[in-house]
Amino acid sequence: DAGVIQSPRHEVTEMGQEVTLRCKPISGHDYLFWYRQTMMRGLELLIYFNNNVPIDDSGMPEDRFSAKMPNASFSTLKIQPSEPRDSAVYFCASSAGRTVGYTFGSGTRLTVV
Amino acid sequence: SQQGEEDPQALSIQEGENATMNCSYKTSINNLQWYRQNSGRGLVHLILIRSNEREKHSGRLRVTLDTSKKSSSLLITASRAADTASYFCATDARSGTYKYIFGTGTRLKVLA
Repeated sequence: DAGVIQSPRHEVTEMGQEVTLRCKPISGHDYLFWYRQTMMRGLELLIYFNNNVPIDDSGMPEDRFSAKMPNASFSTLKIQPSEPRDSAVYFCASSAGRTVGYTFGSGTRLTVV
Repeated sequence: SQQGEEDPQALSIQEGENATMNCSYKTSINNLQWYRQNSGRGLVHLILIRSNEREKHSGRLRVTLDTSKKSSSLLITASRAADTASYFCATDARSGTYKYIFGTGTRLKVLA
């Protein structure tokens, strides 16, 4: 298995532009998580899905952020419009269940200028 | 909000020494996990310990859990330069939803 695949690895965009981050979880994993990591705030859980259904989106910062999981093998995190304070590394992770660990992707480093 | 807090924030040791990192958390948990993150990379799962377990081993790693004190420790024995990384604990609060909240991390540097 290739693990959790995220794209792009790096994204530089101008303030106000739409940004879409993509994630392919490990086949057979029922849970998918989006985290954001910054120096100031550490690792923050944004949203998680179970069987493609959003379960908890209480960590989504504001309405500019949205996430979808149209099928078991693909998820997107969209920011529209983007702002400089959205600059961070965004991680996607998947898991087979509550008593096993997460498998993280390599992350997308987003820079909004 | 962050559930876990690691201590120390940073640790520097010589190769071959043992490294101990601690994690404290606030609310009752189901499980606690430890992860490693090398600079610029994603997190790698190390160990999961359940709330009814007190100790768990994996190779050179030993994790303990004290639910009465709401704390856990990660011990790396005979450290190597390759162990240089940040280490995070993550807890899933016994609140119903399945989500792990990560602590602030300990930056470990192992000097060759």
